[in-house]
Amino acid sequence: DTAVSQTPKYLVTQMGNDKSIKCEQNLGHDTMYWYKQDSKKFLKIMFSYNNKELIINETVPNRFSPKSPDKAHLNLHINSLELGDSAVYFCASSHRGANTEAFFGQGTRLTVV
Amino acid sequence: KNQVEQSPQSLIILEGKNCTLQCNYTVSPFSNLRWYKQDTGRGPVSLTIMTFSENTKSNGRYTATLDADTKQSSLHITASQLSDSASYICVVRAGRYSGGGADGLTFGKGTHLIIQP
Repeated sequence: DTAVSQTPKYLVTQMGNDKSIKCEQNLGHDTMYWYKQDSKKFLKIMFSYNNKELIINETVPNRFSPKSPDKAHLNLHINSLELGDSAVYFCASSHRGANTEAFFGQGTRLTVV
Repeated sequence: KNQVEQSPQSLIILEGKNCTLQCNYTVSPFSNLRWYKQDTGRGPVSLTIMTFSENTKSNGRYTATLDADTKQSSLHITASQLSDSASYICVVRAGRYSGGGADGLTFGKGTHLIIQP
């Protein structure tokens, strides 16, 4: 049983295109996240959603927009893709609380050409 | 600035041997420290979570230690197996965040561990 699943796993697209990455969790968690893993391998948070409310929005370009139709889904829309957007994007989910586990999806490798 | 530094960057050991990975952090205020295992092409999977009051925590052949005074942690792997080949990431949660488990996390770059038969 997949806990946090995201699609697609690989995405190759041209500069200027608009694309979406989907994420679903079946763990009953109330908070979902998007993380970006850059070429230096550091993971950095982009967005956090709790009960359809954006909690954290780190300094990411407004070309990136999270969309949460319900508690189990958090999709990432990216407009006007740029070369620098190439990275691996991870969806994650957790319960509220500092010491709760965070579960990550398998990642989506985005390549902008 | 919150930072997490790990050493070594990469490590190769023979199957069956033990190894220890190191983590130093400057995250403040401290909430908890986690170790994650990330297989190639997969997302990170949690191994342990330790709070300020915990010095040692085990998960099977993985044992993590925490010294909150010196802001250091280690992950010891006993009797390594081929399946242990992965990146091991040290992650520290800052205490000022009130959200969920994945809020306020500062990730290290990871130690790339290769187990050879």
